[in-house]
Amino acid sequence: KAGVTQTPRYLIKTRGQQVTLSCSPISGHRSVSWYQQTPGQGLQFLFEYFSETQRNKGNFPGRFSGRQFSNSRSEMNVSTLELGDSALYLCASSFGFPTAYEQYFGPGTRLTVT
Amino acid sequence: AQTVTQSQPEMSVQEAETVTLSCTYDTSESDYYLFWYKQPPSRQMILVIRQEAYKQQNATENRFSVNFQKAAKSFSLKISDSQLGDAAMYFCAYTGLFQGAQKLVFGQGTRLTINP
Repeated sequence: KAGVTQTPRYLIKTRGQQVTLSCSPISGHRSVSWYQQTPGQGLQFLFEYFSETQRNKGNFPGRFSGRQFSNSRSEMNVSTLELGDSALYLCASSFGFPTAYEQYFGPGTRLTVT
Repeated sequence: AQTVTQSQPEMSVQEAETVTLSCTYDTSESDYYLFWYKQPPSRQMILVIRQEAYKQQNATENRFSVNFQKAAKSFSLKISDSQLGDAAMYFCAYTGLFQGAQKLVFGQGTRLTINP
C-alpha cells in the first residue's frame, strides 16, 4: 500500500506570495492533518480534515487555510507569505475513526520564504 | 490545554546497549493515546509505538518498549540492543480520545546518537 505523498517536496517563495501544498493520504484513510515544523516552535498542529470537513484547527492566523476533496486528498494554502512561514510542512493521514488514532506522515514539503 | 515535555534534548548510547528516553505530559482527560515517533535525517516521521491510556500493560514493539505511568503522567521509551539505524530525533506525542479529531500534541524532541 502506498504511503502518504506530498507535493512539491521543496518550494522557494518570496514574501507576499501565496503557496498551495498538496497531500494524498493512504488509500482508505479519510482524515488528513497538517503540521508545521520549525526549529524554534517544534511541531505544531495546523488543522485536520475528515470527509471534506474541517474538524479541528490550531492556533494559526487566517492566512493558513486548507480543504479536502471527495477523494480525501487535501491541500493547504498560505497567503501573503512571511519569512516566519519558512518551515517543513507535514501531512498525516489516518482512518479518522474514534478508535484509530495512528497517524502516518508524509515526507513533508520544505517551504523557504525569501 | 495538553502539554508534552521531553526534558532530554540529546542522548547518546553505545551500539547494542539500552537507552531510555523520557516524556511527561499534562492533561485533565482520562482517556487518551500516547505515541513515540522517530524522525531520521530524511525527515520522514515514523510511528514507533503507541499506548492507549486505558491499558495498564505497557506496549512493546520488538526492541522498543514503553514504561507508562498514568498517575505520574510519564511515558518513557526504552530501546534495547541499539542499532545505528536508531539514530534520529524522537518525539513523544499525545492525543485525546474525545477531541473528535486527530490532533497530536508533540514534545520538543530528543536527538538520539548511536556510537559505534
